[in-house]
Amino acid sequence: GQSLEQPSEVTAVEGAIVQINCTYQTSGFYGLSWYQQHDGGAPTFLSYNALDGLEETGRFSSFLSRSDSYGYLLLQELQMKDSASYFCAEVSGGRDDKIIFGKGTRLHILP
Amino acid sequence: NAGVTQTPKFQVLKTGQSMTLQCAQDMNHNSMYWYRQDPGMGLRLIYYSASEGTTDKGEVPNGYNVSRLNKREFSLRLESAAPSQTSVYFCASSATTGGTSDYEQFFGPGTRLTVL
Repeated sequence: GQSLEQPSEVTAVEGAIVQINCTYQTSGFYGLSWYQQHDGGAPTFLSYNALDGLEETGRFSSFLSRSDSYGYLLLQELQMKDSASYFCAEVSGGRDDKIIFGKGTRLHILP
Repeated sequence: NAGVTQTPKFQVLKTGQSMTLQCAQDMNHNSMYWYRQDPGMGLRLIYYSASEGTTDKGEVPNGYNVSRLNKREFSLRLESAAPSQTSVYFCASSATTGGTSDYEQFFGPGTRLTVL
């Protein structure tokens, strides 16, 4: 089976750095994606890691360790507009590509 | 380029009624997906279609049927709606051509469905 674990809520201060962790358990694991969703909106893609290591895209970075079945999303220089829910999503392989989402982490940012 | 479009945006049904949620994408993507999102539950996969002419069950398929009408369109049907199907429904698509961008899904704006 497949399951992902991520914290339900995280709170941080504007301008700070926050890390959102995600652990996964699956067979046929290909990689880990991250999505952002603002209230009332649709999820939007942030990043994807297929290999171990850190991927950086502007203020956002994502990390994967396949040996530890673990990844995280790092948000730097937090802005109020980063208040949203963040989902890790596990990509499985085989004949058909399929993505399973975690339950999401609600990020609260304090001024 | 509209991306992924969904109709309707909002719908209220009575228990036992049927309806079809429509989804279309104009990005020439191979794969399409239907998810439901409930508070605290994240996104749960209902059905997906890896290519035109194929469909497969996801985590929560019971009570739903799908049709991949052509490469662009993927519809979700509720034959006999139940209050437990009150949710926000998202359609998504992805390229699935073998590169890293395959795993980027593009989402429609969602359909907010209430079943009384």
